[in-house]
Amino acid sequence: ETGVTQSPTHLIKTRGQQVTLRCSSQSGHNTVSWYQQALGQGPQFIFQYYREEENGRGNFPPRFSGLQFPNYSSELNVNALELDDSALYLCASSFGWNEQFFGPGTRLTVL
Amino acid sequence: ELKVEQNPLFLSMQEGKNYTIYCNYSTTSDRLYWYRQDPGKSLESLFVLLSNGAVKQEGRLMASLDTKARLSTLHITAAVHDLSATYFCAVEDNAGNMLTFGGGTRLMVKP
Repeated sequence: ETGVTQSPTHLIKTRGQQVTLRCSSQSGHNTVSWYQQALGQGPQFIFQYYREEENGRGNFPPRFSGLQFPNYSSELNVNALELDDSALYLCASSFGWNEQFFGPGTRLTVL
Repeated sequence: ELKVEQNPLFLSMQEGKNYTIYCNYSTTSDRLYWYRQDPGKSLESLFVLLSNGAVKQEGRLMASLDTKARLSTLHITAAVHDLSATYFCAVEDNAGNMLTFGGGTRLMVKP
């Protein structure tokens, strides 16, 4: 059974650019949630996708958008990057509303 | 809005000592999680607590849940250096399974 995987591991962008982060859910899981963890803080919920539909959204602006594909993998897109977007982005998958399992994360640095 | 508070935020302790981390939350929830995070790494699931009075133990760590008081504790017994990490509690939103995290407790165990 393959766990949650994320790509890339690290990336560096400059202000104003756009970025796409990817997540492959654990086998058998149909729900994907994304979290942002700024340095020294707890993770914050960005949004959740269930069977390709957005199922909930945290307090993040519209320039944070997402997608879930038929194989339940997911993308997080961030437009017009700001310095404060520098963070560890965590993806978690679950089967329905059962326990979420976290991926290794993507470290985004915005210069 | 669900709020989760942890204390202390930072804990420095000697090996062999006992201590407790507290997690308070503001609204009713069905599930509470404890995670460990090492520097630069993702979240490692420690415990899932599902009901009032639940107690779970793994090695030197024991977690408990009091849903009436909206309080969970993570007790560390006879700490060892390998337990040095940041510990997060997270509470699940009853409307779905969005997680709200506490601010984390950074634990440093000194030899």
